Amino acid sequence: QKEVEQDPGPLSVPEGAIVSLNCTYSNSAFQYFMWYRQYSRKGPELLMYTYSSGNKEDGRFTAQVDKSSKYISLFIRDSQPSDSATYLCAMSSSRGSQGNLIFGKGTKLSVKP
Amino acid sequence: EAGVAQSPRYKIIEKRQSVAFWCNPISGHATLYWYQQILGQGPKLLIQFQNNGVVDDSQLPKDRFSAERLKGVDSTLKIQPAKLEDSAVYLCASSLAGRGEQFFGPGTRLTVL
Repeated sequence: QKEVEQDPGPLSVPEGAIVSLNCTYSNSAFQYFMWYRQYSRKGPELLMYTYSSGNKEDGRFTAQVDKSSKYISLFIRDSQPSDSATYLCAMSSSRGSQGNLIFGKGTKLSVKP
Repeated sequence: EAGVAQSPRYKIIEKRQSVAFWCNPISGHATLYWYQQILGQGPKLLIQFQNNGVVDDSQLPKDRFSAERLKGVDSTLKIQPAKLEDSAVYLCASSLAGRGEQFFGPGTRLTVL
């Protein structure tokens, strides 16, 4: 079993839809959870950063962490064509300079106008 | 604020040749990371520096890969000799010491023929 599992998609939705992206993990030591967005031929950019369980909202994006189920989600409301990208979940057991991020494979999202 | 800079953006070499990549992190970021991202996969950490010291190089294939960060600012990653399976995007990231948020450069896309 891989440490982090993420459905690679691709996922295609119409503009305005609510998008749900998910990752599961096996390492109970993970405490820091991130979602990155990666446009084609670009480096990943940080979207959301959360610690431990709970929800975090930032504009149209909501990140959820359920440590008891080892499951994290990213919701995108009112999706736009500009949201078309690959979304990578990442997690770490420690913060700071000792942090080693473990990434999922990424889910490729396409939002159709 | 300028982002993480990387060069070259693209490189094509033949197997058994050598290649070097350069990275300049965000000013003031003490921690620097090199990742390898194979097509369809998430980034995998190769090496992490804190200033000019190595924190983690457990996943660096040391028989062919080397990296240095001599003055604690910019860094180079070298592959010698290259193999076909080294074809990937090499991403550099940086973060403030003591904080987990990593900021990525655009990457260098390496093709080994």
